[in-house]
Amino acid sequence: GQSLEQPSEVTAVEGAIVQINCTYQTSGFYGLSWYQQHDGGAPTFLSYNALDGLEETGRFSSFLSRSDSYGYLLLQELQMKDSASYFCAVSGPSGGYQKVTFGTGTKLQVIP
Amino acid sequence: DADVTQTPRNRITKTGKRIMLECSQTKGHDRMYWYRQDPGLGLRLIYYSFDVKDINKGEISDGYSVSRQAQAKFSLSLESAIPNQTALYFCATSDRTGYAYFGPGTRLTVT
Repeated sequence: GQSLEQPSEVTAVEGAIVQINCTYQTSGFYGLSWYQQHDGGAPTFLSYNALDGLEETGRFSSFLSRSDSYGYLLLQELQMKDSASYFCAVSGPSGGYQKVTFGTGTKLQVIP
Repeated sequence: DADVTQTPRNRITKTGKRIMLECSQTKGHDRMYWYRQDPGLGLRLIYYSFDVKDINKGEISDGYSVSRQAQAKFSLSLESAIPNQTALYFCATSDRTGYAYFGPGTRLTVT
């Protein structure tokens, strides 16, 4: 099976940097992805890591360490609009196919 | 046009009624999922399907059933709705990398 852990809430100041951690357990691993969800909206894809290291997309970066079963999402130059929930998700094998399992989400509050 | 559509977007129903939530996608993906979201509990997987002939139970399938009518269509049914099935329901599709596209969600209230 697959399981993930991430902090339930994080608060950060506008303009600062925040890191949201995710640890996972899975019997097989294809990749770790991150999603953003604003209140009342659908989750939207942010990034995907299949290999160890850092992936950068604008103000957002995502890191993966497969040996540690650990990843994080780094948000720089925080803006008020970044207040949202952030989910990590692991994709892994399931009966010859691939399944995506989500963590319970981290609610980020950006304060002035 | 949206890649993943869900109907209805909002639904209020009474305990014991049968309801169906429908999902259609234009991404051409084989993989489709139904998730339920409750405050503080994240996204919990109800059912998933990797192709038309493949249906799998997720972590909270009790009280739900699904039908994969075609590659692009995946419907979720509540045979006899109960109040604790009140939640936000999302359909999603994914490609082989696990990049998931979500529908806009269906807000279901069971009274």
